[in-house]
Amino acid sequence: DGGITQSPKYLFRKEGQNVTLSCEQNLNHDAMYWYRQDPGQGLRLIYYSQIVNDFQKGDIAEGYSVSREKKESFPLTVTSAQKNPTAFYLCASKGGGAGWFFGPGTRLTVL
Amino acid sequence: GENVEQHPSTLSVQEGDSAVIKCTYSDSASNYFPWYKQELGKRPQLIIDIRSNVGEKKDQRIAVTLNKTAKHFSLHITETQPEDSAVYFCAAYTSGGYNKLIFGAGTRLAVHP
Repeated sequence: DGGITQSPKYLFRKEGQNVTLSCEQNLNHDAMYWYRQDPGQGLRLIYYSQIVNDFQKGDIAEGYSVSREKKESFPLTVTSAQKNPTAFYLCASKGGGAGWFFGPGTRLTVL
Repeated sequence: GENVEQHPSTLSVQEGDSAVIKCTYSDSASNYFPWYKQELGKRPQLIIDIRSNVGEKKDQRIAVTLNKTAKHFSLHITETQPEDSAVYFCAAYTSGGYNKLIFGAGTRLAVHP
């Protein structure tokens, strides 16, 4: 767990504004994932990347974008096209036979 | 698409009792099944996992069973304690396919002293 970090912990977005959530890992994991969690609900997959410079849409990719220019970093941008972005965002990484390791999360609130 | 169903959504037990949470998955090629515990406002923490070539795995008070034919897997917690109170998520993963970890909707477990 300690090898994957997210920032900021809390983020506030105004209407029509794009915001970027940071996710960094020093576990040397190839695969990284972004999940969204709404109150009282499970985790839904937004985007995932199995290798640098490659990523795939998850189940709820609309209104989000990602990049994977470095193995350690997988930032998520919440665009103005995402009409209901208030949620808890979790980044995770996975390497080899290991399970998923989650970051501490970013709580995004729309003002 | 792939789907994981989890039951019950809430579970209330007395301290010392056992708790069982059940999950069903849709992708017959799924081969890895982790269970996560999430406390309020925190990240999910892996508590136990099982691979498709194993029918049961135990770790102290926690055990997981897998029935590949029925596509069911279950989490068993014995001698529950108040600190076991949390939300528990099951998940299913298929390697070599979509490589996505699909989560169940979660079970809120409350252990009363």
